[in-house]
Amino acid sequence: DTEVTQTPKHLVMGMTNKKSLKCEQHMGHRAMYWYKQKAKKPPELMFVYSYEKLSINESVPSRFSPECPNSSLLNLHLHALQPEDSALYLCASSQETSQLAKNIQYFGAGTRLSVL
Amino acid sequence: SQQGEEDPQALSIQEGENATMNCSYKTSINNLQWYRQNSGRGLVHLILIRSNEREKHSGRLRVTLDTSKKSSSLLITASRAADTASYFCAEGGNNRLAFGKGNQVVVIP
Repeated sequence: DTEVTQTPKHLVMGMTNKKSLKCEQHMGHRAMYWYKQKAKKPPELMFVYSYEKLSINESVPSRFSPECPNSSLLNLHLHALQPEDSALYLCASSQETSQLAKNIQYFGAGTRLSVL
Repeated sequence: SQQGEEDPQALSIQEGENATMNCSYKTSINNLQWYRQNSGRGLVHLILIRSNEREKHSGRLRVTLDTSKKSSSLLITASRAADTASYFCAEGGNNRLAFGKGNQVVVIP
């Protein structure tokens, strides 16, 4: 099973709402990632979890709050978002984050988020 | 080619033709990876080439790496309509991937 599952596929939320994006993998990977992707742009790294600990936060605004409840699950909690936060949010996982070839990343299909 | 702040490159070819796309990177890499993304979907890993390798093949894909010029190219031979996608190179190292701007490829049946 080389699948990373993201839910929901689509999400529309108001600026005062609180919502969560979910990501799950059962490949035994110990690194998980959140990316934000705008149309016609490359994915931008937001967060990296390594062995269930937050290892990288790319200066993401606090209205985005990641959580890694266990090695298979990754959440992204959203609160008081702005319209410019509308984007495709991608989750990925890899065996680990080391510089060896094990950092090949497997991506979910993404959550298309619209903030009204 | 993918680099800097310019718009992603776009390539339109006929089915059966070869598609070549380029990528420039900035840092000293451990490896260089290529990913494909179909419209609005997740990325799929295609091929990884290590910094001490110069060329690698996988099926219809051929990747080259020139570390002296900090550049890589991806060749897709005998293209198919299903190859229509965006293609990103990514610098692998320092616990993360850094993606280039991407190449949009349209294969016309």
